[in-house]
Amino acid sequence: EVQLVESGGGLVKPGGSLRLACAASGFTFSSYSMNWVRQAPGKGLEWVSSISSTSSYIYYADSVRGRFTISRDNAKNSLYLQMNSLRAEDTAVYYCEWLQPQGSIYWGQGTLVTVSS
Amino acid sequence: DIQMTQSPSTLSASVGDRVTITCRASQSISSWLAWYQQKPGKAPKLLIYKASSLESGVPSRFSGSGSGTEFTLTISSLQPDDFASYYCQQYNSYSQTFGQGTKVEIK
Repeated sequence: EVQLVESGGGLVKPGGSLRLACAASGFTFSSYSMNWVRQAPGKGLEWVSSISSTSSYIYYADSVRGRFTISRDNAKNSLYLQMNSLRAEDTAVYYCEWLQPQGSIYWGQGTLVTVSS
Repeated sequence: DIQMTQSPSTLSASVGDRVTITCRASQSISSWLAWYQQKPGKAPKLLIYKASSLESGVPSRFSGSGSGTEFTLTISSLQPDDFASYYCQQYNSYSQTFGQGTKVEIK
């Protein structure tokens, strides 16, 4: 069974940093690209970042480029999102996402990040 | 970036109604489109992937169609548990994008 479990969310002040983690199981993590998607309270869904299986290709949404860093540790089956210079508009539930090659999609349960003074 | 235009933004319907939600992509995405249901405080739940494939465990009253730039989600007979928000998602490119959402309300 595929499982994606996010952790690391919490309350942080504007300008602060936070590191999210996603523990993956049930599939060969090292073979696939992974993504982060977020949803601000009462708002729609927004893609944040993607990383290829070997970390060779990394992409960011314009809204986070230069502040967020995606990474992975294939030995630990883990995905990360280092978030720096956080702003109030980064307040959201952050989801780890895997797009299966056959087309199906798996999400974690999400972790809430609140940026507030 | 590929833009996804979802309509309507709100839909009022009754139990038993046939409901259709539309998503239009700004360029062709082949069949790389998914539909989600979301209830307050919960993660999105995958209903349909690759435009028309029903996710395991999802009731057969949900169906998806389309390819290229025009897609639809149809609920054949709306049930009380179906009152929720629905989102489309294109995953043709690495910068996947989502529709703005459709809230299905009780009429």
